[in-house]
Amino acid sequence: SQTIHQWPATLVQPVGSPLSLECTVEGTSNPNLYWYRQAAGRGLQLLFYSVGIGQISSEVPQNLSASRPQDRQFILSSKKLLLSDSGFYLCAWSVLGDQPQHFGDGTRLSIL
Amino acid sequence: RKEVEQDPGPFNVPEGATVAFNCTYSNSASQSFFWYRQDCRKEPKLLMSVYSSGNEDGRFTAQLNRASQYISLLIRDSKLSDSATYLCVVNRDSGYALNFGKGTSLLVTP
Repeated sequence: SQTIHQWPATLVQPVGSPLSLECTVEGTSNPNLYWYRQAAGRGLQLLFYSVGIGQISSEVPQNLSASRPQDRQFILSSKKLLLSDSGFYLCAWSVLGDQPQHFGDGTRLSIL
Repeated sequence: RKEVEQDPGPFNVPEGATVAFNCTYSNSASQSFFWYRQDCRKEPKLLMSVYSSGNEDGRFTAQLNRASQYISLLIRDSKLSDSATYLCVVNRDSGYALNFGKGTSLLVTP
């Protein structure tokens, strides 16, 4: 069966520090991969998605970036975090773009 | 018009009640529809897909009305454990991603 791993579960970072969140999927090949952010009490905001290795589509211009160095690995990064980057970050995968997405446990990021 | 719109609620219902949520979507060409459940401070989880003919999974029934572009979720015999936020989800035009509604909050009380 397929599983998705996302870490860390919680992260507290100072403003201006770098960020790297990693997500890996097991049990499937060539999945679509997604990064979302959910601010407190708000809906899901799609940040990036990828349909293949090295292919990244950005939804919202901001100081975050994503990379897909391997088929089942998706990384979210920032060189300098802003206070507004606080939120609940979720990685998800799907077989195809119009199929259900399956989410990791999420990372709760607090910026101080 | 937003791609997916839901009444945010909250819906407060007693245990055993029947509650229904509606969701409207803007893209008439959409083909894939889902309901997700999100518990407080947790990741969204797929509750059920929504098929054209309507489908049922235990106490949960999903309906699709293409003509009016809305999807509904009916929960019968509500349990305390049904308290959560329910997200309506529709595929995008591009086919690469899904549009998530902001969710409808349900609180089932004893």
